[in-house]
Amino acid sequence: QVQLQESGPGLVKPSQTLSLTCTVSGGSISSGNYYWNWIRQPAGKGLEWIGRVYISGGTDYNPSLKSQVTISIDTSKNQFSLKLSSVTAADTATYYCAREDYYDGTITLPFDPWGQGTLVTVSS
Amino acid sequence: EIVMTQSPATLSLSPGERATLSCRASQSVNSNFLSWYQQRPGQAPRLLIYGTSTRATGIPARFSGSGSGTDFTLTISSLQPEDFAVYYCQQDYNLPLTFGQGTKVEIK
Repeated sequence: QVQLQESGPGLVKPSQTLSLTCTVSGGSISSGNYYWNWIRQPAGKGLEWIGRVYISGGTDYNPSLKSQVTISIDTSKNQFSLKLSSVTAADTATYYCAREDYYDGTITLPFDPWGQGTLVTVSS
Repeated sequence: EIVMTQSPATLSLSPGERATLSCRASQSVNSNFLSWYQQRPGQAPRLLIYGTSTRATGIPARFSGSGSGTDFTLTISSLQPEDFAVYYCQQDYNLPLTFGQGTKVEIK
């Protein structure tokens, strides 16, 4: 059974770059038709999709964050990563990684599974 | 961007009661691309329903989904103690992928 685990610094200073990694275990990140996603949730608030990467290295980003976001994949490490530049307090949130299944460009199974989430606080 | 609006924000019910949660999209969503998630306190969201009405693996039959176009519903037929949580709808139809703001089902 595939499991996802987020990792990275829990504290980032304003204007710096937030960097997180999602490690995939129990299966290969490059087998099957999957999108690998990042989603965030400020404390007490709802969910916001950040973006996703596919095995080809192609990406889709939320336009609201596109200027700040880079998502990449490292098949040799079975990981994918998120970089969010020029962070402010508004980027303080729990960050989740999650997988989507697709076939022929169409989602066949949405966000499942999810990582447990990692809290990132932006503060000096 | 497709805006997903959930109602009510909070639903106060007793165990054993029926819960009906609504989700409205700002434009039509293909029913194949509407999902529901459950989030318990301190946990990651969990996929409940996808394709409007298909239960994810391991999800009890008391959870059901319905709807089409812009209006979708999640029904919990008889609330169990573990069902008191926040529920989110989500669309995969158009980018950016979007979630509703959530409905909290609390114990009355």
